[in-house]
Amino acid sequence: EPEVTQTPSHQVTQMGQEVILRCVPISNHLYFYWYRQILGQKVEFLVSFYNNEISEKSEIFDDQFSVERPDGSNFTLKIRSTKLEDSAMYFCASSGFRLHSPLHFGNGTRLTVT
Amino acid sequence: AQTVTQSQPEMSVQEAETVTLSCTYDTSENNYYLFWYKQPPSRQMILVIRQEAYKQQNATENRFSVNFQKAAKSFSLKISDSQLGDTAMYFCALENTDKLIFGTGTRLQVFP
Repeated sequence: EPEVTQTPSHQVTQMGQEVILRCVPISNHLYFYWYRQILGQKVEFLVSFYNNEISEKSEIFDDQFSVERPDGSNFTLKIRSTKLEDSAMYFCASSGFRLHSPLHFGNGTRLTVT
Repeated sequence: AQTVTQSQPEMSVQEAETVTLSCTYDTSENNYYLFWYKQPPSRQMILVIRQEAYKQQNATENRFSVNFQKAAKSFSLKISDSQLGDTAMYFCALENTDKLIFGTGTRLQVFP
């Protein structure tokens, strides 16, 4: 069964550094998402992406964050200048349809900002 | 505002027994979808079951079923004949436009 894959599984970075989290969605899916989960807290929506542009973003997704689908295969989340509070699990997800369709999640990238 | 509340941080059940996980939500929409996702130690979030609010019949998927009470805005998950592999975090989620709003999760431990 096709899977969403995320790399790396764990990323450690220093405060102020830029990080890029990578995702390969399921190949025939059109809708892409990033969610994050701070340790012990709920999973929170960051951004949705369709047709090479952001469809919706949350308040968390400020100017430090950006997303890109550079080559029709990868879907990336960039954090320009990481803060300690960016430490979390970041999940990529994809879906074949915009509404009512289950999201297929990757295994997540654990980001640790020191 | 749309919210999802899971009031049971942890639950445990013996293998082969039945357990029910609670979820309540709030929305002003009339038609919407609700989901239960499972997150095992492998971390990947996996869809367990979904329910369309427009349908009165409760969704079932093998050993998993829901008790959907629209008026009460309640969406509980029942796991029958619990198995060791059911040990995981379980998240209730409400669809809002094209994103999901998650509850805080219930950690379920299945004991032999």
